[in-house]
Amino acid sequence: GEDVEQSLFLSVREGDSSVINCTYTDSSSTYLYWYKQEPGAGLQLLTYIFSNMDMKQDQRLTVLLNKKDKHLSLRIADTQTGDSAIYFCAVVDLNRDDKIIFGKGTRLHILP
Amino acid sequence: DAGVTQSPTHLIKTRGQQVTLRCSPKSGHDTVSWYQQALGQGPQFIFQYYEEEERQRGNFPDRFSGHQFPNYSSELNVNALLLGDSALYLCASSLAAGVNEKLFFGSGTQLSVL
Repeated sequence: GEDVEQSLFLSVREGDSSVINCTYTDSSSTYLYWYKQEPGAGLQLLTYIFSNMDMKQDQRLTVLLNKKDKHLSLRIADTQTGDSAIYFCAVVDLNRDDKIIFGKGTRLHILP
Repeated sequence: DAGVTQSPTHLIKTRGQQVTLRCSPKSGHDTVSWYQQALGQGPQFIFQYYEEEERQRGNFPDRFSGHQFPNYSSELNVNALLLGDSALYLCASSLAAGVNEKLFFGSGTQLSVL
């Protein structure tokens, strides 16, 4: 089945850019998502990209998709203290079973 | 517009007991999915309900069962609780007719099994 991998931790200085990476195994994944989870809260959908796109930009967020390498990244420009959270990569294949598979999450820590 | 609401927020049970968790989907949504999130892990898909029927199921034993009501709200039941069932249980709602299945999550129920 699908496997989604992320690095567990990332530390970034306030004001710098954060880049969170994700790799997945199933090349037929159709939608790829980034979710944010703050302490004690559920998951908040940040952005998503369809598999026929290479890039999507939404304000401070930029998603890059490399289908050949099955690599997805989320770039957060001008990282702020409010960006401190766990970021989950998730993928789904709408042509198969519609189940959304999540990675284990990357904890983003902001340094002053 | 109320988002996804879950109750209770916290629950403590002992091994062997049974538990029922509740979820009300976001207004306008007709599909409810349940996820288990163990500490330090990503959410694991339990099952999904649409039109009051279980549409999809993940790799969870039959001790995990659910129900969807005509108003689209849902319950997750877990029987014969094990210590390993301790986790955050997340409910997510979506619109089945949507091309892009965007999930909206509740804040979860934190279940502790002692």
